Amino acid sequence: DAGVIQSPRHEVTEMGQEVTLRCKPISGHNSLFWYRQTMMRGLELLIYFNNNVPIDDSGMPEDRFSAKMPNASFSTLKIQPSEPRDSAVYFCASSPQTDQPQHFGDGTRLSIL
Amino acid sequence: GQSLEQPSEVTAVEGAIVQINCTYQTSGFYGLSWYQQHDGGAPTFLSYNALDGLEETGRFSSFLSRSDSYGYLLLQELQMKDSASYFCAVCNTGKLIFGQGTTLQVKP
Repeated sequence: DAGVIQSPRHEVTEMGQEVTLRCKPISGHNSLFWYRQTMMRGLELLIYFNNNVPIDDSGMPEDRFSAKMPNASFSTLKIQPSEPRDSAVYFCASSPQTDQPQHFGDGTRLSIL
Repeated sequence: GQSLEQPSEVTAVEGAIVQINCTYQTSGFYGLSWYQQHDGGAPTFLSYNALDGLEETGRFSSFLSRSDSYGYLLLQELQMKDSASYFCAVCNTGKLIFGQGTTLQVKP
């Protein structure tokens, strides 16, 4: 079975550029989560969707971040414009329903120069 | 607010038993989860406790006491491959709030 698929695996770009991270959840999973992981702040929930609808975006750091889920099999997290402090590993996770175990993708390692 | 506390590092020898504690303060609580993360890898689900008591899955067990806002992960018969970070996470209204993680180092 295919797990959660994220792309790209690595991204290095200059500050000010737009960055788009992509996620394909496990088929049949109704909940999708975006996390950011850094040494300083640990693993933080940015936003989560249930049945393609954003439920809680209180973790999104600022207006430069946006996330969409146009259908059940695809989600994007966009940063525009990017800043060096956005450098982190971004994980996408999905679960059959909220409050059920989450399955994580391998993450996107983002470096903003 | 919500907070979780767990030790930052634990060291143990191969074959031993280790317990990783987690205390939490949260405005809402549905259960306590544990995740494992190897260096550079994705977090993977280990266990979930919604009710008080012990849940056992092979070499790993997890315990919850809701009245004490406390849980732990017990790893038995430690193997070198168990060296990783372990996160407790509170399940609250559909989302997970993660602790800072405990780095477990297993030595020969």
